[in-house]
Amino acid sequence: GAVVSQHPSRVICKSGTSVKIECRSLDFQATTMFWYRQFPKQSLMLMATSNEGSKATYEQGVEKDKFLINHASLTLSTLTVTSAHPEDSSFYICSARDRAPQPYGYTFGSGTRLTVV
Amino acid sequence: KNEVEQSPQNLTAQEGEFITINCSYSVGISALHWLQQHPGGGIVSLFMLSSGKKKHGRLIATINIQEKHSSLHITASHPRDSAVYICAISGSARQLTFGSGTQLTVLP
Repeated sequence: GAVVSQHPSRVICKSGTSVKIECRSLDFQATTMFWYRQFPKQSLMLMATSNEGSKATYEQGVEKDKFLINHASLTLSTLTVTSAHPEDSSFYICSARDRAPQPYGYTFGSGTRLTVV
Repeated sequence: KNEVEQSPQNLTAQEGEFITINCSYSVGISALHWLQQHPGGGIVSLFMLSSGKKKHGRLIATINIQEKHSSLHITASHPRDSAVYICAISGSARQLTFGSGTQLTVLP
């Protein structure tokens, strides 16, 4: 079935540094990638939607200059957290939709747990 | 009021019990999704359905479009079924709207 590989699974970084999270679709073309953030015991919160070759659409309240999203190819989307601060510590997860119909519609990455110290 | 309401929030069952998780939604949808989130955070899509009923192993998902209601059933539950189960809906905008999730714990 469809697989989205997300890396890294865990990252600890210092305040002020940038962290890049990658999501790759391994056996399908991800025309649309959704990026989510999840705080403990809470539901997924959509941060932005990206379509291959175009600028990402950010949800209200999400700083586009802080959370840089690139979807340069049909198999790779990246989220870069720039100048990270402790309040950016969270669980980030991507989800992709294929160009072709899939039985489950959406395929999720395994998530990245970011800790900013 | 949230567009997607799930119940119960928490559910503890003994191994072997039949489990039902409910989901109600208040808007038109193109599909309803049941997701499973493991303790490590990874999410697996269990079902996508727009009508009727689907079965996969011990899992069964049903949807009633007229009543805007869906249920996820687990037969012969097992401790490895312990996870958060999330109901989500998708519409014309294609993005998912999530319920708050149901934390299921199956005791041996």
